[in-house]
Amino acid sequence: AQSVTQLDSQVPVFEEAPVELRCNYSSSVSVYLFWYVQYPNQGLQLLLKYLSGSTLVKGINGFEAEFNKSQTSFHLRKPSVHISDTAEYFCAVNGYNTDKLIFGTGTRLQVFP
Amino acid sequence: GAGVSQSPRYKVAKRGQDVALRCDPISGHVSLFWYQQALGQGPEFLTYFQNEAQLDKSGLPSDRFFAERPEGSVSTLKIQRTQQEDSAVYLCASSLRLAGGDEQFFGPGTRLTVL
Repeated sequence: AQSVTQLDSQVPVFEEAPVELRCNYSSSVSVYLFWYVQYPNQGLQLLLKYLSGSTLVKGINGFEAEFNKSQTSFHLRKPSVHISDTAEYFCAVNGYNTDKLIFGTGTRLQVFP
Repeated sequence: GAGVSQSPRYKVAKRGQDVALRCDPISGHVSLFWYQQALGQGPEFLTYFQNEAQLDKSGLPSDRFFAERPEGSVSTLKIQRTQQEDSAVYLCASSLRLAGGDEQFFGPGTRLTVL
């Protein structure tokens, strides 16, 4: 079975500052890793995903994430955030043997001017 | 192009009523998923279809929950005798399922409130 832990429920940050949203996972099998963003009253949108290969993955809107197998982490980063990045961010995994996604509890990123 | 659509967007039901939630996936997508998202939580898997076959229903919380996708396209999630704990946003997602790790495209969800 897989599980995902997002330790930070809320992350406040000022505009143009860097940000890191943390994600740790647990799995007995190899996994695919995802970050999704959810804007108010909208569905989830994929930011980026790690399947294999390079451990640094670049996504949309200037976000990137690094897969660290030894630390079972997949932290999301952005060097300079914008007001429009205010949203809920979800880390998710699925194992090689299943298609269903297991989500973390989410991190609310609040960007202040 | 059209994304995943869900209807209704909002549903209020009295406890004990039956409800039906509809999902229209992206045309040509083989896989369809239902998730339940409680307030302040991440989405939790309910069930999964590949075409018309329901391959995994391990996440359905009780036998009051039933899902179908009879022609391998539109899907309906039915909840019988609704309870207050069923109040949540129900998300539908679809994917091409060309390979493992395919992106799932999510609809806007149906917010169900049971009074």
